[in-house]
Amino acid sequence: GAVVSQHPSRVICKSGTSVKIECRSLDFQATTMFWYRQFPKKSLMLMATSNEGSKATYEQGVEKDKFLINHASLTLSTLTVTSAHPEDSSFYICSARFSGRAGEQYFGPGTRLTVT
Amino acid sequence: DAKTTQPPSMDCAEGRAANLPCNHSTISGNEYVYWYRQIHSQGPQYIIHGLKNNETNEMASLIITEDRKSSTLILPHATLRDTAVYYCIVRVANGSARQLTFGSGTQLTVLP
Repeated sequence: GAVVSQHPSRVICKSGTSVKIECRSLDFQATTMFWYRQFPKKSLMLMATSNEGSKATYEQGVEKDKFLINHASLTLSTLTVTSAHPEDSSFYICSARFSGRAGEQYFGPGTRLTVT
Repeated sequence: DAKTTQPPSMDCAEGRAANLPCNHSTISGNEYVYWYRQIHSQGPQYIIHGLKNNETNEMASLIITEDRKSSTLILPHATLRDTAVYYCIVRVANGSARQLTFGSGTQLTVLP
């Protein structure tokens, strides 16, 4: 099956610093990638949708200048949390849509971000 | 996308079939039913999807009622590793780049 990887799996950073999370589709090309955030005991909430080579579309309430998304190739998207604060601590999950199929999305294993 | 309703939690004995229901009474004719699951602290895992016919794969079976207003995911022989939150999602497929919208899901606990 299609594999999506994320790196790092866990990261701890100090308040005010920036953190970059990578999402890669390992064995397929993904024209569309999605970034979700999940707080403890809550469901996944979509943050943004990114299409290769174009600007990301952010959901209402998600600050585009704080959560920078780059989708430079068909296999790589990055999420940068800028000037992180403790309230940004969360589980960040990316998803890639398999271009040639009936809309299945494959998810990465997630990145646990802790801001101290 | 049509809204779905799932019970918040269910238990199942190991080795028995787990039947997870989902109501989607406002589903449209071109919307598929998708099932994903999320094991604790992992990303969601695709299980199965269908439009109107029943579907089966190596993981599960999906039974969709004739009026398509509800469906049931069946794990034929549940194991402890099947303990997870199961999400039923209704969405237009093919040609759509729209995201999956997750509800609250059903926490399935498989008991030894």
